Amino acid sequence: AQSVTQLGSHVSVSEGALVLLRCNYSSSVPPYLFWYVQYPNQGLQLLLKYTSAATLVKGINGFEAEFKKSETSFHLTKPSAHMSDAAEYFCAVYHSGTYKYIFGTGTRLKVLA
Amino acid sequence: GAVVSQHPSRVICKSGTSVKIECRSLDFQATTMFWYRQFPKKSLMLMATSNEGSKATYEQGVEKDKFLINHASLTLSTLTVTSAHPEDSSFYICSAFRTGGNTGELFFGEGSRLTVL
Repeated sequence: AQSVTQLGSHVSVSEGALVLLRCNYSSSVPPYLFWYVQYPNQGLQLLLKYTSAATLVKGINGFEAEFKKSETSFHLTKPSAHMSDAAEYFCAVYHSGTYKYIFGTGTRLKVLA
Repeated sequence: GAVVSQHPSRVICKSGTSVKIECRSLDFQATTMFWYRQFPKKSLMLMATSNEGSKATYEQGVEKDKFLINHASLTLSTLTVTSAHPEDSSFYICSAFRTGGNTGELFFGEGSRLTVL
């Protein structure tokens, strides 16, 4: 079975500081992995995705994530946090047999002025 | 980019009434749509997979008679919460799957906040 685990339900960083949101996956087959962002009372927006091409994936808004098979990780980073980055972030793995996306429990990012 | 529209964005209803939420893919055909429920400060819980022209597939623990799903066309899926009760109050999000590439892509609606009084 495929699953993702997000470590840390809440992360706080100062404006301008590095953002690191953790995601570990479990999959018996090469995974397809995604990061989504959700702003209050809105749906989810795709930040980036890993589909077995380059291991370092660049997304929108300056975010990137690195797929590390040895660590079964797909952590999301951004060099310098902006106030507008405050939101809920979800890691997800795609199950090709069912088209289902399995979501992690989410990490709420707070950016401090 | 692809857009999925969800309507209404907010709805308040009385206990015992039924509420219909629509999910439309605006610029692509979606044979598969998903309905999620999100509790406050919680992750998304997949409720069901909506397949065009066939019955929806419900996740374990989701009452199919309570949450009726209809996917009558390639661009529209509806979720009807029947005989709503206060515990059905939640944020419901739909997503539409667009095939292509290795994984296709999932596009989300803006969500519908249901409040049952």
